[in-house]
Amino acid sequence: KQEVTQIPAALSVPEGENLVLNCSFTDSAIYNLQWFRQDPGKGLTSLLLIQSSQREQTSGRLNASLDKSSGRSTLYIAASQPGDSATYLCAVSQDNFNKFYFGSGTKLNVKP
Amino acid sequence: GAVVSQHPSRVICKSGTSVKIECRSLDFQATTMFWYRQFPKQSLMLMATSNEGSKATYEQGVEKDKFLINHASLTLSTLTVTSAHPEDSSFYICSGQGYNEQFFGPGTRLTVL
Repeated sequence: KQEVTQIPAALSVPEGENLVLNCSFTDSAIYNLQWFRQDPGKGLTSLLLIQSSQREQTSGRLNASLDKSSGRSTLYIAASQPGDSATYLCAVSQDNFNKFYFGSGTKLNVKP
Repeated sequence: GAVVSQHPSRVICKSGTSVKIECRSLDFQATTMFWYRQFPKQSLMLMATSNEGSKATYEQGVEKDKFLINHASLTLSTLTVTSAHPEDSSFYICSGQGYNEQFFGPGTRLTVL
């Protein structure tokens, strides 16, 4: 069964810092990987979707990379802002039916 | 992006009652919808996959007779928690598959007293 792990569980940084969130998965036979943001008590906001054939995706200050063979993905956030404070979830799907397996998340706090 | 809504956003009920949660895809047709639950400080766990017009497929350990899923149309799926108990208190999130991507609802907070 696919297992997804995210490190660190929590991260606190001052505003303006660049940071990296890590995600690893045990079964490299994935269809795609997606990074989400979850604000307290809220649903999920999709940030970046990487297909299994891709190496990275970028959106604004966010860059996500995928190394399928090693079972790893990173989410890079440049010039962090207090508004980036949230829990970041990594999820992988193993078929095109998009059934996701989620990591436990990294809770990010960006201090003004 | 596509929008998925859930209703209600929050519900409190007494132990032993049944609660129905609706999930709607507002601007796309979702052949497949997924139901997840999230316990405090834990990640989302997939409960079941539902395809329009057919029976839902439940993940291991999820009681299909307790969590009834109906996906009667391409824009609506419902989850009914039957005879709810305090241990069923959780955050329930649905998602719909459209445009080769999955779109998530805002979630429903269920509290069983």
